Amino acid sequence: GENVEQHPSTLSVQEGDSAVIKCTYSDSASNYFPWYKQELGKRPQLIIDIRSNVGEKKDQRIAVTLNKTAKHFSLHITETQPEDSAVYFCAASIAGTNYGGSQGNLIFGKGTKLSVKP
Amino acid sequence: NAGVTQTPKFQVLKTGQSMTLQCAQDMNHEYMSWYRQDPGMGLRLIHYSVGAGITDQGEVPNGYNVSRSTTEDFPLRLLSAAPSQTSVYFCASTQTGMAKNIQYFGAGTRLSVL
Repeated sequence: GENVEQHPSTLSVQEGDSAVIKCTYSDSASNYFPWYKQELGKRPQLIIDIRSNVGEKKDQRIAVTLNKTAKHFSLHITETQPEDSAVYFCAASIAGTNYGGSQGNLIFGKGTKLSVKP
Repeated sequence: NAGVTQTPKFQVLKTGQSMTLQCAQDMNHEYMSWYRQDPGMGLRLIHYSVGAGITDQGEVPNGYNVSRSTTEDFPLRLLSAAPSQTSVYFCASTQTGMAKNIQYFGAGTRLSVL
């Protein structure tokens, strides 16, 4: 089955700096890679996602890159702010119109605790 | 639109007690799942369901039962609670299609087993 590795487990940056979180996956059939942000005591929420037919996607200060050949994808946060402090999870999934069975499962990495110091 | 509703938010059990964590969604999603979250372990899949009447095991199913009698509800049962089941539990409902699996999480249940 799919296995997702996430690094680093903790990351501390100064406000205004960039932060990069990296994930690798094992199943070449995975084609959908979301990132979730979880603030302390809250539920995980989707912040950005990428499909395997796209190499990069941006949304304001966050971007995700995907290297299918190497089976890794990364989250980039630029101009970090204190409110970016949270735990970030990457995930991998097999998604498609012929949905069925375990294809809806998201396999999560173990998370990265990002701290942005003012 | 409430999304995914989980109850209770907090629960303390004694070893051996049973309880049911409730989960309901109003988005008409076929796919629902339960995760547990432990420090340093991320989100681990307990059980999932691809539709009413269909359930299957995830990564850590031991000690938990589920059922899916309706599209809306997906309760998680602990038959005989153990201290190892102390965790935060999240129910999720997944929007599939458009080559994406977008999961919406409930607010979580913090469970302590003494």
